[in-house]
Amino acid sequence: GAVVSQHPSRVICKSGTSVKIECRSLDFQATTMFWYRQFPKQSLMLMATSNEGSKATYEQGVEKDKFLINHASLTLSTLTVTSAHPEDSSFYICSARALVAGAQETQYFGPGTRLLVL
Amino acid sequence: LAKTTQPISMDSYEGQEVNITCSHNNIATNDYITWYQQFPSQGPRFIIQGYKTKVTNEVASLFIPADRKSSTLSLPRVSLSDTAVYYCLVDLNFNKFYFGSGTKLNVKP
Repeated sequence: GAVVSQHPSRVICKSGTSVKIECRSLDFQATTMFWYRQFPKQSLMLMATSNEGSKATYEQGVEKDKFLINHASLTLSTLTVTSAHPEDSSFYICSARALVAGAQETQYFGPGTRLLVL
Repeated sequence: LAKTTQPISMDSYEGQEVNITCSHNNIATNDYITWYQQFPSQGPRFIIQGYKTKVTNEVASLFIPADRKSSTLSLPRVSLSDTAVYYCLVDLNFNKFYFGSGTKLNVKP
């Protein structure tokens, strides 16, 4: 139980375009999901908290107009990187907070999405 | 800011027991301690979680002293496939995970 998926797993786009990344909780409902970014050889950095039915809360220094988050259902959160630039190239990882029967309450992470902006 | 401090790296050999210690001096009364494992280009994978004393599951043990200012993840008889980065996190209600540098474990044959 407590499986989180992301789509796509990899994406390459041209500079100036927008890219949408989906995060789904497959076998549980998640009122709260989280988005992280990880640069090579660095740790995960929390970008924002996604709350179902309300606006996301962003960490300091993260531009909310550049990283649009929509949590429209209890199983889906999306992150849209708008007007992407090469410096946005990174590994984006989502997680969902879960209390699942037979599993530990904690955050469960997706497999990540590798974004490369040319 | 990360609330935890871990060694940057550790080396071990196959079959050995590995203990990774994490310091969290400012842990709050209601914070839980959670450990994750991350392989390159993958999301972190939950290993174990605890609040106090000792917790054991099928893959690891977690030792937490009475003052809870540190915790130790114990991996019994590691194999090459345990080479990964291990993160220790503390938080109340698992809402704000600020990752520290983690510990890069290198298991040698």
